[in-house]
Amino acid sequence: AQSVTQLGSHVSVSEGALVLLRCNYSSSVPPYLFWYVQYPNQGLQLLLKYTSAATLVKGINGFEAEFKKSETSFHLTKPSAHMSDAAEYFCAVSGQSSNTGKLIFGQGTTLQVKP
Amino acid sequence: DARVTQTPRHKVTEMGQEVTMRCQPILGHNTVFWYRQTMMQGLELLAYFRNRAPLDDSGMPKDRFSAEMPDATLATLKIQPSEPRDSAVYFCASGPQGATLYGYTFGSGTRLTVV
Repeated sequence: AQSVTQLGSHVSVSEGALVLLRCNYSSSVPPYLFWYVQYPNQGLQLLLKYTSAATLVKGINGFEAEFKKSETSFHLTKPSAHMSDAAEYFCAVSGQSSNTGKLIFGQGTTLQVKP
Repeated sequence: DARVTQTPRHKVTEMGQEVTMRCQPILGHNTVFWYRQTMMQGLELLAYFRNRAPLDDSGMPKDRFSAEMPDATLATLKIQPSEPRDSAVYFCASGPQGATLYGYTFGSGTRLTVV
């Protein structure tokens, strides 16, 4: 079974500041991990994914995430926040085999960027 | 860009009425998910199909919800009879063979309001 916990339902940062969104996972099988972003009134868009090739993963819009097996974490970071980054962010986990491929989401973190 | 198309985008209906939501997955994608998003519960997985066969619908209330894939280009989610607690945004997502590796593409959702 897999699950995801996102620490902090709301995160507020100033424009230009570091963004850190936390995600911890639980998985009984080797996981694939994803971050999705949802802008208001839109569907979810894939930001980046960990698929066991490299532990530091770079995604779109300057975001990156690091897979740390020892900490069961996959935190999302961006060095400098932009106003356009304000959105809801979801961490998700799935198993690596096709039989465990269903995507399970965390509760989401709303990122607010202040001018 | 290839897109997952969901119709209708918005639906307002009276309690007790039947509601049908449709999803056209990306051509060639063989995996389809239905999710429900609410403020209280976040993103809940309702059903999951691969090659048109249901793999997991344990998240779906069986007495009133049904999900089908009549063909590879259409997935449907029906609610009969609808209740106010069904008000939510319903998302469809699709992915290719091996989508656990590549991630899934989400549609823009159907916003359902049951009054």
